[in-house]
Amino acid sequence: KNQVEQSPQSLIILEGKNCTLQCNYTVSPFSNLRWYKQDTGRGPVSLTIMTFSENTKSNRRYTATLDADTKQSSLHITASQLSDSASYICVVSAWGWGKFQFGAGTQVVVTP
Amino acid sequence: DGGITQSPKYLFRKEGQNVTLSCEQNLNHDAMYWYRQDPGQGLRLIYYSQIVNDFQKGDIAEGYSVSREKKESFPLTVTSAQKNPTAFYLCASSIEGGLAGDGNEQFFGPGTRLTVL
Repeated sequence: KNQVEQSPQSLIILEGKNCTLQCNYTVSPFSNLRWYKQDTGRGPVSLTIMTFSENTKSNRRYTATLDADTKQSSLHITASQLSDSASYICVVSAWGWGKFQFGAGTQVVVTP
Repeated sequence: DGGITQSPKYLFRKEGQNVTLSCEQNLNHDAMYWYRQDPGQGLRLIYYSQIVNDFQKGDIAEGYSVSREKKESFPLTVTSAQKNPTAFYLCASSIEGGLAGDGNEQFFGPGTRLTVL
């Protein structure tokens, strides 16, 4: 069973609108959670990293939240642009050897 | 894509052939990883190496082999024993593989798309 579940699988939004992506995890003991953006045919690029003590972190128009009690994270995209069209992947790390658990990603399509 | 390069970008393999995917990094990272990405699934770990001359099997190592003779290089060979090799392969590196600390970010290469003819 995947220890990182993302929703929705895909979504389509109009340019300029906002959207929120969800990530639920069961990875334990929790170390940190990263959101990556992956353009089609490219490698993932890190957007944010959040540790246990952090609730919110922003990177330009991307805002990530973390609730370590409920083991949930969200990624909010504000005023979407066509260049935001990509897959967004949630990655959770456990303390220890450092194995990374990947979600399946949410495919975002921004239309004009 | 940082300081990680992968080649080739596209690779075609005939049935029964072995093929080798290249991964090079100039970030001076100790740890390197190989992942496979299939549509609708999260990245799956094939092999990882925490240090030169050492590597470990990941979750789906069957039909694959690796070597880590140099810190900068971590080539992946897809052997004929891998029955379903068509996928997008991603190489990554991190400063160290021992602990998943705050700074232990994985940097990914641009990927190689392998297709079996």
